[in-house]
Amino acid sequence: DAEITQSPRHKITETGRQVTLACHQTWNHNNMFWYRQDLGHGLRLIHYSYGVQDTNKGEVSDGYSVSRSNTEDLPLTLESAASSQTSVYFCASSPNGGSYNEQFFGPGTRLTVL
Amino acid sequence: RKEVEQDPGPFNVPEGATVAFNCTYSNSASQSFFWYRQDCRKEPKLLMSVYSSGNEDGRFTAQLNRASQYISLLIRDSKLSDSATYLCVVNRPGGGADGLTFGKGTHLIIQP
Repeated sequence: DAEITQSPRHKITETGRQVTLACHQTWNHNNMFWYRQDLGHGLRLIHYSYGVQDTNKGEVSDGYSVSRSNTEDLPLTLESAASSQTSVYFCASSPNGGSYNEQFFGPGTRLTVL
Repeated sequence: RKEVEQDPGPFNVPEGATVAFNCTYSNSASQSFFWYRQDCRKEPKLLMSVYSSGNEDGRFTAQLNRASQYISLLIRDSKLSDSATYLCVVNRPGGGADGLTFGKGTHLIIQP
């Protein structure tokens, strides 16, 4: 069955380290997204991509970067992890068609920055 | 007005009861509306899309009121397994594929 996976599921790192979170989907969706979810804030969009070689900033993109070299993967990199980036990170994908389509979410990565 | 606003709850409801939540949105040009369900420490999952004419899926009914800019979710004969957080999701017109705004969620607890 087609699916969307994230790895690692849990990560503890130290301030200043570079961290990469993986997201892989097998639906062949063009659109992929990264969100963070914190208490009191709901889901906030970090970066998104409409297709290979396309990346765009979301509302909370500072300190994060993404790259899209193929359809299936959108890794999220924290260039220099900060304690404020402790959060749960969700990757999502959606088929073509703009915002009229639902997004399918991965299981999440719980990141702790010490 | 915030883009998407929900009562955070928690709503404590006895098993078998009917419960309803509303969600208000600020952009009158929004065209797509969804309810997602999120269980504790899990990913959000689509519960149902919300259509202009209203729609029903088993015990769940969603309604859209464009004039007042709110959507509602009604759960009948609630089950213990309905305990979760329900996220209201609205598209931002012209926002492209990224244009979904998520509410912060309404927490529902079904009590035996």
